[in-house]
Amino acid sequence: QTVVTQEPSFSVSPGGTVTLTCGLSSGSVSTNNHPSWYQQTPGQAPRTLMYTTNIRSSGVPDRFSGSILGNKAALTITGAQADDESDYYCVLYVGSAIWMFGGGTRLTVL
Amino acid sequence: QVQLVESGGGVVQPGGSLRLSCAASGFTFSSYGMHWARQAPGKGLEWVAFIQYDGSTTSYADSVKDRFTISRDDSRNTLYLQLKSLTAEDTAVYYCAKRPVAGSGRSYYFDYWGLGTPVTVSS
Repeated sequence: QTVVTQEPSFSVSPGGTVTLTCGLSSGSVSTNNHPSWYQQTPGQAPRTLMYTTNIRSSGVPDRFSGSILGNKAALTITGAQADDESDYYCVLYVGSAIWMFGGGTRLTVL
Repeated sequence: QVQLVESGGGVVQPGGSLRLSCAASGFTFSSYGMHWARQAPGKGLEWVAFIQYDGSTTSYADSVKDRFTISRDDSRNTLYLQLKSLTAEDTAVYYCAKRPVAGSGRSYYFDYWGLGTPVTVSS
């Protein structure tokens, strides 16, 4: 059974840089998985941040960037701000009209 | 502007059924594929199901296959999710989400989300 893996939690200092990753238990993530990223604060609906690996959704600040790093998708926040403290989820397309969420990363800014 | 409003959630007994709705506005509903996702209390998001803009393709997560059915009524601009044989593991907030590209064009993410409707499976 394929699982999409994310770090459960991460901490970053204000102004610092953090890279969250998104992997596949069964192999490597590539652009063919069309990685996308979503931000969610407790009790709120998800917000689309990034799609097709590295395209920022409308209104998303350019301190957010996406890439493939090694065998994983990555979301990098450069110059983290207090309101970046959220849960971050990646989604991978695994073929045959099936999508899979990662378990999410809780980012703390302190 | 795009709006997605889910409804139909509630408390249901194990083994029971429920139909969720997602009312869409602000875009040409009949031209877009749609998804359902869910989030159990204190847990992460889980993709549940997809329906193509014309209903020609539907797909499901293994966890709900053969129990849940996604459908759409373009005359009502509404997406549905029929839930059957419910268990406690189906307790979650259910979200609908829109595919960003019209028709059968390639798009593999979700651009707009509703606020969700909660489903609790409990005796």
